[in-house]
Amino acid sequence: QSALTQPASVSGSPGQSITISCTGTSSDVGTYNFVSWYQQHPGKAPKLMISDVSNRPSGVSNRFSGSKSGNTASLTISGLQAEDEADYYCSSYTSSKTGVFGTGTKVTVL
Amino acid sequence: EVQLWESGGGLVQPGGSLRLSCAASGFSFSNYAMSWVRQAPGKGLEWVSVISGRGDNAYYADSVKGRFTISRDNSKNTLYLQMNSLRAEDTAVYYCAKEHDRQNDYWGQGTLVTVSS
Repeated sequence: QSALTQPASVSGSPGQSITISCTGTSSDVGTYNFVSWYQQHPGKAPKLMISDVSNRPSGVSNRFSGSKSGNTASLTISGLQAEDEADYYCSSYTSSKTGVFGTGTKVTVL
Repeated sequence: EVQLWESGGGLVQPGGSLRLSCAASGFSFSNYAMSWVRQAPGKGLEWVSVISGRGDNAYYADSVKGRFTISRDNSKNTLYLQMNSLRAEDTAVYYCAKEHDRQNDYWGQGTLVTVSS
């Protein structure tokens, strides 16, 4: 149950696009499309931003998009805004019928 | 509106026990699996456990297996986490979360568990 690997930090200027990677294995990301992304602001609970690799829940801005290739999933935030500054975590279902989260990425809006 | 409210956190000595509760409302509780996820101070999210809607299947992270027990009372719309043999490294905010297709779509605000002498 090793954590999925994410970059520790990603930054961008307002209006730019950034992409966060999430690398797992063939026992999780590589096999299942139960890959989700969560946004967490300081002191707050996580919020689901993307489910099933690329689906946006109702109410989530269309500036957020997800994709997957092999063992790596990605979250792209386009038109970066100040309110997007937060921690982001990926997650996947695993072959052990458990879940696993990524190491987390701090997004900074310059 | 889906609402999840955790309770039962607090300060406990190493080796001690604690039971967390999560009261749910706004959805058909028994139709959904429920999870516990924790976050140590200043650290990332860690998946802890999941239980099926009927309560007949449960799975655990290796770090808590044999010490923690997840359960639910569908008549009370409440999820539980019994934590025994607590260690300093179990110190964290514990979140309960509703599952939909093996992903957590709603989260509670969390309850802090501190294991310290």
